[in-house]
Amino acid sequence: DAGVTQSPTHLIKTRGQQVTLRCSPISGHKSVSWYQQVLGQGPQFIFQYYEKEERGRGNFPDRFSARQFPNYSSELNVNALLLGDSALYLCASSLRGSSYEQYFGPGTRLTVT
Amino acid sequence: GQQVMQIPQYQHVQEGEDFTTYCNSSTTLSNIQWYKQRPGGHPVFLIQLVKSGEVKKQKRLTFQFGEAKKNSSLHITATQTTDVGTYFCAGQYSGNTPLVFGKGTRLSVIA
Repeated sequence: DAGVTQSPTHLIKTRGQQVTLRCSPISGHKSVSWYQQVLGQGPQFIFQYYEKEERGRGNFPDRFSARQFPNYSSELNVNALLLGDSALYLCASSLRGSSYEQYFGPGTRLTVT
Repeated sequence: GQQVMQIPQYQHVQEGEDFTTYCNSSTTLSNIQWYKQRPGGHPVFLIQLVKSGEVKKQKRLTFQFGEAKKNSSLHITATQTTDVGTYFCAGQYSGNTPLVFGKGTRLSVIA
């Protein structure tokens, strides 16, 4: 079975630009969560979606938004990029939510210059 | 906000020595999960603990959940070079609340 896939792998953007990151969960998984991981820190929760509905939102500004599609894939959008948004963005899928084992994708490395 | 504190931040050991990382929360957890992230990789699930006082073993790894469900530990016996990486605990406080990750313990093993 294929694991969680994310695209793109790497991305370089300029301050003020917008970015869209994509995630495809493991087949059969209905929950997708997004995390931001800054170098040397643990993953920080951004959003969780289950059955296309937002189930949780972390302490991130409104510049961050996400959605889940009928096929359970998901997109994370970040507007008006700041230098501080540079990080590894991880997508994790699970059967039903945070109470279940999280399967992480390889991540998207975003660099904002 | 709710935080999960993890210590130590770094640990350097000789191959064959033991290693322990500790995780603490000021608030009772409903469950705790442990993940390992190799350098340049992504977190990989190791185990989930749910019950008070629970102890689980995976080969050389022993995981414990405290009686009050506020702390947890991961102990590795006789470390090997393949154990290198950062170990994260992630706590969930209730229901479908999100996982709160600790900052991780980075383990280096010197052969």
